[in-house]
Amino acid sequence: AAGVIQSPRHLIKEKRETATLKCYPIPRHDTVYWYQQGPGQDPQFLISFYEKMQSDKGSIPDRFSAQQFSDYHSELNMSSLELGDSALYFCASSLQKETLYEQYFGPGTRLTVT
Amino acid sequence: QKEVEQNSGPLSVPEGAIASLNCTYSDRVSQSFFWYRQYSGKSPELIMSIYSNGDKEDGRFTAQLNKASQYVSLLIRDSQPSDSATYLCAVDSGGGADGLTFGKGTHLIIQP
Repeated sequence: AAGVIQSPRHLIKEKRETATLKCYPIPRHDTVYWYQQGPGQDPQFLISFYEKMQSDKGSIPDRFSAQQFSDYHSELNMSSLELGDSALYFCASSLQKETLYEQYFGPGTRLTVT
Repeated sequence: QKEVEQNSGPLSVPEGAIASLNCTYSDRVSQSFFWYRQYSGKSPELIMSIYSNGDKEDGRFTAQLNKASQYVSLLIRDSQPSDSATYLCAVDSGGGADGLTFGKGTHLIIQP
């Protein structure tokens, strides 16, 4: 079965640079979520989109923004990167009515800020 | 502030035994409850979801929910070394496209 696709899988940036992470949800899924997981930490919810509209917002820094496009893929834009932004970034997707909000995670993007 | 609490472990269980993982949550309006398995450096993998009080069984896994006590548990029968991982309890309070609140996870070790 098709899974969530994330790109790139690894990304190295320097402080103050920008980064864009991409997420392609499972086909037919209408909701996308972004999570950040630091070393030894649990995943922290950043933001979600349902049918291309922002649905819920968590602990997303003002330096970050995201959107969902007409083909349901989503991008997380990160500016003025800081060392503390180094983490695994996961995208998850769900199909609201049929899968009762079960979220399926992609393989993640490992971001290293130097 | 929503909170999800888990014993971080490590929880060590002999191969073939039952592993019991527990989780409590603070938000009484929580509606959906999930267990994820995460291997080191990998993404969380959904293994169980539960929405109503009682038990839900799927293969070797049984999830138990008690909303009055704000308590969720996961039982793994006939534990295998491949079950060794971190198990994350996650709670969704509002339904719809809300983000999940995760516990810090329990590190489970199955001893051969």
